[in-house]
This record gives sequence, structure tokens and C-alpha cells, in this order.
Amino acid sequence: AQTVTQSQPEMSVQEAETVTLSCTYDTSENNYYLFWYKQPPSRQMILVIRQEAYKQQNATENRFSVNFQKAAKSFSLKISDSQLGDTAMYFCARTQHNAGNMLTFGGGTRLMVKP
Amino acid sequence: DAGVTQSPTHLIKTRGQQVTLRCSPISGHKSVSWYQQVLGQGPQFIFQYYEKEERGRGNFPDRFSARQFPNYSSELNVNALLLGDSALYLCASSLWQGMLTEAFFGQGTRLTVV
Repeated sequence: AQTVTQSQPEMSVQEAETVTLSCTYDTSENNYYLFWYKQPPSRQMILVIRQEAYKQQNATENRFSVNFQKAAKSFSLKISDSQLGDTAMYFCARTQHNAGNMLTFGGGTRLMVKP
Repeated sequence: DAGVTQSPTHLIKTRGQQVTLRCSPISGHKSVSWYQQVLGQGPQFIFQYYEKEERGRGNFPDRFSARQFPNYSSELNVNALLLGDSALYLCASSLWQGMLTEAFFGQGTRLTVV
């Protein structure tokens, strides 16, 4: 099975500081997409950022950026200037070209931002 | 615009019963996917429908079935419920089923089987 692994079940960070969430994945494909989703207590999955595997440049969305290492199959999320509203579950996910936009998710990292 | 809506938000069923969960996609979206999220885990793919046809199926038993209607809304049916079917069921809609197409999620239906 092609999997997505998040090795940090829980993390905490002080407000205004920076935190990095880790994700590794397994794929035999060369063309795929990677995503980070946020799931707050409201349960709704919200897309944070996405990365196309054929692009070498790391994606950035405001305070959120990724470190994409294709050869190492690593896709970490960096949150800068952490805010209390960033407290949530974060899921790394992957698609692959022969499966439409079906998402394979990791097990999640629970992030707590402390005041 | 309304987002993805799912109903009901919560329900409790008894082992052996059948359940139907409903999803209305964002207006204009033609693809609906279903995911099961067991407590403490990441979501797992169950089905994808596009233009009313099944386009993908995850590793779930035949007790799970789904369909998509002409208005692109969708139902997920689970027969002969087991305790292990207790989970949050998420629906995601997208414009189509291409790999880059962003999936928008509903708030889910929390199913408890007792």
C-alpha cells in the first residue's frame, strides 16, 4: 500500500513562534500532488497549501510554507508567527495521477498553540 | 455560496441496522467523494462519483454503497452496521475529478453504532 506517514502525533508551539510538521510518503509515481489540510474542532477539512510534484519551488501561502524534498519523499509544513487559531489537527495528503483527486491521508498531527 | 452540506450531523444506530448519509456538493461541482475518519486517524477514501458514475472505490466491504443523483447530490449507504463503522463520514466535492482539482469538505456526519 502506498502510504503517507506523519511521525509527530502531537506538537505544541508558543504563540508568534515557528513550528514545523513532518510528513513522508511513499509513491511509485512521478506525477502527483501533495497537500496539507487543517481540521479544527468544527471537523471541516480546510486546505492549507498544496505542492505539485513536478515543481521544484516550494509552495508558500502567507504564514504557511512547505519544504518539499522529492528524492527523500518528504513534505514538511512550516507555520510562521503561530496564532491561537492555528490550533487544530493537521493532515498531510497525496494524490496520484491514476486515481483522479482521491486523497491518501496521513494519521495527522495535533498542533496546540499556547498563549 | 453554500459550501458542501451533509446530513444528518449526528446519528446513533444499532448493530445490524442500515444507514443512509446525504451530501449536497457546492453548486456547479460534479464530483463527490466519501471518506471515513475513525477517531484519532486520518480519513480513508471510500468512493468517488463523477457525472453520476462511480470512478473510484477504496478498500471497504460491499456493505458500503453509494450513488450520485442527476443534481450531483450523493448518498452513502451502509448495511449491517458493525461497531467498527462508528466514525466521522466526510463528503468532499470538486468541479471534476482531475488530480489538481481542489476538494472542498463538508463538516461530516458523526455515526455512532451501539
